[in-house]
Amino acid sequence: EVQLVESGGGLVQPGGSLRLSCEGSGFTFSSYWMSWVRQAPGKGLEWVAHINQDGRQKYYVDSVQGRFTISRDNAQNSLYLQMNSLRAEDTAVYFCASKWVDAPGTDYWGQGTLVIVSS
Amino acid sequence: DIQMTQSPSSLSASVGDRVTITCRASQGIRNDLGWYQQKPGKAPKRLIYAASTLQSGVPSRFSGSGSGTEFILTISSLQPEDFATYYCLQYNSHPYTFGQGTKLEIK
Repeated sequence: EVQLVESGGGLVQPGGSLRLSCEGSGFTFSSYWMSWVRQAPGKGLEWVAHINQDGRQKYYVDSVQGRFTISRDNAQNSLYLQMNSLRAEDTAVYFCASKWVDAPGTDYWGQGTLVIVSS
Repeated sequence: DIQMTQSPSSLSASVGDRVTITCRASQGIRNDLGWYQQKPGKAPKRLIYAASTLQSGVPSRFSGSGSGTEFILTISSLQPEDFATYYCLQYNSHPYTFGQGTKLEIK
């Protein structure tokens, strides 16, 4: 069974940092691009970042560029999102995902982890 | 950035109805478009990619069409489990962008 399990969410003050993790199992993690997608409370979906199979290609939405860093450890089947200089507008559920854009076959999503940025 | 304008933002329909949802891109994106379904409290689920390719396991009542700047998701005969929010996504260029979503509700 394929699983993506996020962790690391929580309450953080504006300007603070948080590191999200996503552990994959049941599929060949190292073969696919991995992404973070977020959803603010009551709002729509927003693509945040993604990273290619060997970690050399990374792309970010403009609003997080320079503050967030995506990385992966294929030996640990894990994806990360280091979030610095957090703002209230970063408050959202963060989903990790794989094979969810243009790869054939079933898309894989985690259950999401909630990040709340508030004083 | 490419803007995706999705319409309508909400839609009331009955079981058995045929419904269409439209996404317009601010510039041409070939067929680099996907459609996603999301139910409350759950992760999204991909329905269609490459504008018209049905994800395996997705019922054939879902279909997608379009190319360039205008795209349509059609549900041919609504079932109770189809009431959800639908999003389009363009992946032609970074940053990838979603439409605002269409909430499909039971009439």
